[in-house]
Amino acid sequence: RKEVEQDPGPFNVPEGATVAFNCTYSNSASQSFFWYRQDCRKEPKLLMSVYSSGNEDGRFTAQLNRASQYISLLIRDSKLSDSATYLCVVYGGSGAGSYQLTFGKGTKLSVIP
Amino acid sequence: SQTIHQWPATLVQPVGSPLSLECTVEGTSNPNLYWYRQAAGRGLQLLFYSVGIGQISSEVPQNLSASRPQDRQFILSSKKLLLSDSGFYLCAWSPTTGLHSYNEQFFGPGTRLTVL
Repeated sequence: RKEVEQDPGPFNVPEGATVAFNCTYSNSASQSFFWYRQDCRKEPKLLMSVYSSGNEDGRFTAQLNRASQYISLLIRDSKLSDSATYLCVVYGGSGAGSYQLTFGKGTKLSVIP
Repeated sequence: SQTIHQWPATLVQPVGSPLSLECTVEGTSNPNLYWYRQAAGRGLQLLFYSVGIGQISSEVPQNLSASRPQDRQFILSSKKLLLSDSGFYLCAWSPTTGLHSYNEQFFGPGTRLTVL
C-alpha cells in the first residue's frame, strides 16, 4: 500500500467552481499534515497545514480525519491562478520515517475560463 | 525573512561526468536541510537530510553523496552521473524545534538536471 495516496486527476473545472481533493495515508502514527502547491516546473510551496479541528484560509479549507487516515482540501470559487498540482504531505510516524515528510504524487487541477 | 538559494537552475551533463549542486539558506540558524529528487511524472523522493554540520543521513542507496560543510550550506555530489540521475533536484530547509509536531519544509527553486 502506498504511504500517501492521491487521485492524480487531472481535475478540469470551470472558474468559480468548488473542487475537493482527497488523500489517504497509511502510517497511523503520522503527526502532521500539509497541503503543498506545485506549479509546472517549479518548486513545491506550502499552501497550508492541516489541523485536527480543520482549518480555513480564505477560499481553502483543509480537513483531517485521523480515524480514517484521510485528509481533504476544498477550494471554493476556483480561480485560473489555482491551476497547479496539489501535493498531500504527511510528517512523522513510526520507524525509519519518523522525522521525515512523505509526499503524495499530487493531484493536478486545471481551472478553465 | 528566510530565503533558500540553489544553483545552477538548469544543467546538462554527459553520462559519467561529476556533479556538484549547491544550496544555501539565509535568515536562519541550524536548519535541518534536505535534498529531494523529483523524476518526471513521479513524486518527491528524499535523498539526504542533515541535522547539523557534517551530519548526513542517506535515505536511498545510490551514486550520489551529500555534504554540509557549513551550517547553512548543503551540497549534492556525484563522481559519475548515470542516465537515471536526470530529474528535478530540490533542496529544502525546516526550522529546528524541540517538538516534531509541526515541521513544514520550505523548498528552493530547484535544479533541473539532464544527463545525456
